[in-house]
Formats: sequence, structure tokens, C-alpha cells
Amino acid sequence: NAGVTQTPKFQVLKTGQSMTLQCAQDMNHNSMYWYRQDPGMGLRLIYYSASEGTTDKGEVPNGYNVSRLNKREFSLRLESAAPSQTSVYFCASSPQQNTEAFFGQGTRLTVV
Amino acid sequence: AQSVSQHNHHVILSEAASLELGCNYSYGGTVNLFWYVQYPGQHLQLLLKYFSGDPLVKGIKGFEAEFIKSKFSFNLRKPSVQWSDTAEYFCAVRRSGGSYIPTFGRGTSLIVHP
Repeated sequence: NAGVTQTPKFQVLKTGQSMTLQCAQDMNHNSMYWYRQDPGMGLRLIYYSASEGTTDKGEVPNGYNVSRLNKREFSLRLESAAPSQTSVYFCASSPQQNTEAFFGQGTRLTVV
Repeated sequence: AQSVSQHNHHVILSEAASLELGCNYSYGGTVNLFWYVQYPGQHLQLLLKYFSGDPLVKGIKGFEAEFIKSKFSFNLRKPSVQWSDTAEYFCAVRRSGGSYIPTFGRGTSLIVHP
């Protein structure tokens, strides 16, 4: 049982480069989320998708875009990476928004 | 908007010591409450949750938490910690009902010495 799968696990980018973080869940969950985790800041919500076909901004959406490709997949794109986007990114999913979230293993991104 | 405050950022204990991690939130309405744990190098996992009913909630690995509505608190406790409890602990709160997303606290880093 894979749960929530994120790729890649590690990535180093140069400032200005673009990349897409992939996330897929096999639990038939409706809601999916992208968080970033920074030391001393906890988890901050970047974007979420309450259901297939919808996306909404979270607390820190600037510099990011998302796509809910289908019910399983929710990708996060950095169009022009900046050093401030160096972080650990977690994707999560939940059956609905009023239940607990299940997290992926995370992507450690460094922007130099 | 609700906010979540975890008072202890770093806690260091010896094995067999008792643990209590504080969590307070700011929203005055009905809430759902969660504690997550993140072991070194791993993803977040749910420890326990409170939605309604008995305010004393028991979770996995001997953890429990008590919801005290009058104090807007949901503190995490464990009577006797083990070295394997070394991890980061996150409290999360969401407004009950509707389409609200949980807000996470900043986390508490727990180190347990053998």
C-alpha cells in the first residue's frame, strides 16, 4: 500500500530554473494539499485541492502553481525558483477536508 | 483565522521521564484537533485526533491528549518516554464543519536520551 508518493525525493535547482514536484495518492481521497516545512515555521499550506477540478491558495502561494491532473495526482510547479523556496515540501491527502491528512515522504529542495 | 501555538520548541528528556507538550489555539468555535509526529527523516504520521466526545483522547504508542475547551488547549502527554520517541511533534487545529483546512503549529522537537 503506497499511500502518498512524491517525486523526486531530493532536488537542487539554480535560481531561475523551473521544476514540477509530483504527487500521487492511491487511497481514492478527494482532497489533496501541498505544504512547505521550514525550521521553526512548522508546516505552511501552499495550495490545496478540495476535490478533482478545484484548487485554492493557501497561506504561502506566491511563486507556485498547482495542477490537479485527476483524482490521484496533484502537482506543484515552481516557474522561476528562488533561494527563499529552499524547503522541504510535503504533499498530503485526505478523504474529505474534515478528516486527518496522510502525508508523503517529502521532497527536499535546495535552490542555489 | 485560527492560529496554533506550541509553547515548547525544544524539549530534552531522559528515558522514563514524563512528557507534556503544550498546544493552544485561538479560534472560539467548534474545532477538530490533531497531533502528528515526524520521526527523523520521515513523513508526518497521525498520533491522535479529537472531533467530539470524551475530551481525553488516547493515541498510538502510549500517547494521550486532553482537550480543555475553556483553556483552548490540547496538550499531548506520555507517562514514560522512550528513546524511540525522539521526533518532532506538531499540533494542528481546524474549524469544524465546512471546508476549513487545518492550521499547524510550529512544532516541538523532542530528544530523549537513553
